[in-house]
Parts: sequence; structure tokens; C-alpha cells
Amino acid sequence: TQLLEQSPQFLSIQEGENLTVYCNSSSVFSSLQWYRQEPGEGPVLLVTVVTGGEVKKLKRLTFQFGDARKDSSLHITAAQPGDTGLYLCAAFNAGNNRKLIWGLGTSLAVNP
Amino acid sequence: EPEVTQTPSHQVTQMGQEVILRCVPISNHLYFYWYRQILGQKVEFLVSFYNNEISEKSEIFDDQFSVERPDGSNFTLKIRSTKLEDSAMYFCASRMTGGSYGYTFGSGTRLTVV
Repeated sequence: TQLLEQSPQFLSIQEGENLTVYCNSSSVFSSLQWYRQEPGEGPVLLVTVVTGGEVKKLKRLTFQFGDARKDSSLHITAAQPGDTGLYLCAAFNAGNNRKLIWGLGTSLAVNP
Repeated sequence: EPEVTQTPSHQVTQMGQEVILRCVPISNHLYFYWYRQILGQKVEFLVSFYNNEISEKSEIFDDQFSVERPDGSNFTLKIRSTKLEDSAMYFCASRMTGGSYGYTFGSGTRLTVV
């Protein structure tokens, strides 16, 4: 069974701080995605990373895919209250792009 | 921006009843999915659908569940004889291509079985 472990599970910080959340596995994935989910809503895709070592930036968010394609990180610079939400990583198995495996998520609260 | 639309947003049903959850995927998308999220647990894959047939289903997706794309726009999930443990958020998702690309998810249907 392939698992995605996210850490930390909960994070509460002050506006303006930087943070990094992690998504780890012992399995190799063909690609990995980060989603953000707000209460009562569906996950919203932030980014897809495909190549080992890949770094993608989305404004203040920086996503990195591990060299071995087993792990990923999300770094937020100068967090804002609008960044509050549940950050989920999800990945396709190598060789199967029909179903996503999900982490449990990091619940981020950015306090003004 | 194109959206995946799900109805109803909330559904309460009695145990043993049948429910149909409806989804309108993005119009030019070809791949369709149902996922569910039980409160406090991970999002779980249920089924993928392409070219008018199921391409993959999970062990959760047993004979109690079925999917249909009856008219080229709607994509439905039917749950027969609902059980208490079917209570969850059910998300429909679609994407234009296969491969490694991400999905567009709907806002979900919160199903409560009492």
C-alpha cells in the first residue's frame, strides 16, 4: 500500500512568517500534485510536479519535487491570512495515472 | 473559469435508501472521477471513467455503487441501499487528458446517512 505522509498535521503562524510543509513517501511517483482545500469545498489544484528535483513557483509558494520522486515540499514566504486552509498532496503511482493517492493534509492557520 | 458542478450540495437520506449524486464536468474534459472524503480521513479514490466505461475502480466501489454518463453532460454516482458508513463528502473531478495532469474538482456533495 502506497502512503503519503504529510507533516506537520497542524500549523498556526503569524502573518508575515515563512513556513514549509512536507509530503513524504517510500514509493516512487510519476507526478505529485498539491491542492488547497477550504471547509465545505473541493480541493483546488495548485501545482503538478513531474520531474525529480523540479522546483515550481506560484507567487509566494514554492514547490519542490524530490530527486527520487518520493517526496515534496511546499514553502510559503510571508504568509498571509488568505493562505489559511488545508494543503493536500496527492500523487499518481508510477505506471497508473488513473487514480490519485492522497495525504491527510496540513491544516494551516495564518493569524493576522 | 470553467467549473465542475455538483448537485445537491447536501443530501440527507435514511439508511437503506438509494441516492444519486450528480455532476456536470467541464464540457471538453474526457476523464471523469469520483472521490470521497470521510470526515477527518484521507480523500479516497472511488472510480475513474473514460470513453463511456469504467477504467478503474477501488475496492470501496462494490456492487452498491454505479456510475453513468447518461446524456453526454451529466456524470452520476448512484449508491444503492445506503449505509451509515457511506456518510462522507463525495467529490466529482474531471480532466481533459490522461497522463500526469491534475484534476478540476467540484465543490462536493455532503451525504449524511441517518
